[in-house]
Amino acid sequence: AQKITQTQPGMFVQEKEAVTLDCTYDTSDQSYGLFWYKQPSSGEMIFLIYQGSYDEQNATEGRYSLNFQKARKSANLVISASQLGDSAMYFCAMRSNSGYSTLTFGKGTMLLVSP
Amino acid sequence: TAGITQAPTSQILAAGRSMTLRCTQDMRHNAMYWYRQDLGLGLRLIHYSNTAGTTGKGEVPDGYSVSRANTDDFPLTLASAVPSQTSVYFCASSGLAGVGEQFFGPGTRLTVL
Repeated sequence: AQKITQTQPGMFVQEKEAVTLDCTYDTSDQSYGLFWYKQPSSGEMIFLIYQGSYDEQNATEGRYSLNFQKARKSANLVISASQLGDSAMYFCAMRSNSGYSTLTFGKGTMLLVSP
Repeated sequence: TAGITQAPTSQILAAGRSMTLRCTQDMRHNAMYWYRQDLGLGLRLIHYSNTAGTTGKGEVPDGYSVSRANTDDFPLTLASAVPSQTSVYFCASSGLAGVGEQFFGPGTRLTVL
């Protein structure tokens, strides 16, 4: 069984600072994918970034990067230069590349960016 | 571009009544999914379908049924609603099962009284 753990229920950061949202995972699979989604107060789920378990480079998408440490089974999201619009709930998710290939989500971290 | 549409946006339902949540995608994605989101629990998979004509059970399937008669539609039915099914329901799709990210619909907020 897969499990995603997000230990930070809430995080606060000042505008323009960087912030790291933690995510650890548990799986016995060798091939898997890790995802981060953003959910603003409006409720929609927005895909941010993806990391494959065999990718040697950490994934980056604009101000988002994924700090992937395979041996530690962690996939932290780093947001550089935070903006007020980054205030949202952030979910880490994992997909096994065997079996039914469905996503398992963590419970989320609420990020609040202050001016 | 519409992507994924869900209907209704919100609904209040009496316990014991049945209801079908509708989900339609226009991206010709093979795989579709239903999740429920509850405060403090994140998103949990109810049912999924890797391709038209097939469905599978997720983490919390009890009390729900799905069908996948064609590629575009993936309705979720509550046969006899109970208050514990009060939640926000998200439909999602991906191009192929196990490939790429999942795209989410806007959600349906369901309250069962």
